[in-house]
Amino acid sequence: GAVVSQHPSWVICKSGTSVKIECRSLDFQATTMFWYRQFPKQSLMLMATSNEGSKATYEQGVEKDKFLINHASLTLSTLTVTSAHPEDSSFYICSARPGQGSTGELFFGEGSRLTVL
Amino acid sequence: QKEVEQDPGPLSVPEGAIVSLNCTYSNSAFQYFMWYRQYSRKGPELLMYTYSSGNKEDGRFTAQVDKSSKYISLFIRDSQPSDSATYLCAMSPGGYQKVTFGTGTKLQVIP
Repeated sequence: GAVVSQHPSWVICKSGTSVKIECRSLDFQATTMFWYRQFPKQSLMLMATSNEGSKATYEQGVEKDKFLINHASLTLSTLTVTSAHPEDSSFYICSARPGQGSTGELFFGEGSRLTVL
Repeated sequence: QKEVEQDPGPLSVPEGAIVSLNCTYSNSAFQYFMWYRQYSRKGPELLMYTYSSGNKEDGRFTAQVDKSSKYISLFIRDSQPSDSATYLCAMSPGGYQKVTFGTGTKLQVIP
């Protein structure tokens, strides 16, 4: 299957600082990538859809100024958690669909665990 | 009512057992169905991907889709301790439309 790489796999930061998480499609181009948040023992919550060369589409209730998404190339999307607070501590996962006109098959990164002190 | 319902478990079975994992859904527009395996503190790994109704087999895994009943299943034969994980069902109408996930079923295979 297609490979999606996410970095860093874990990060600890102080409250008030910003953290950037990268998501790369290693063996395919992705015009669309997705960012999820997962709380312990809960399913994936879609935060936003990242579109190459255009603004991200955020789900209802997700603060776009808090979670900045940039999709500058067909293989890289970044999520920046700005002015992080302890309640932002979570497991963040990205996913991507290979190619144009994809039928819905998604491949996920390994996830990034953020802990805000 | 949630769009996708999945029993959270946990489900404990002895090694070698046949495991049946299920999801029901309410949106008749769903056409593409996926099963993911997620180990603790890892991203989901795609196991099976099917379109419309029918069966698909891959090694010890068999995915079934019954669109008339809005019911999908994943069967694991000869279950192994390494199969212990959370299994997520996911589905989508297709194209670039949003994928909807179940809450996941935690499976434990006991040696």
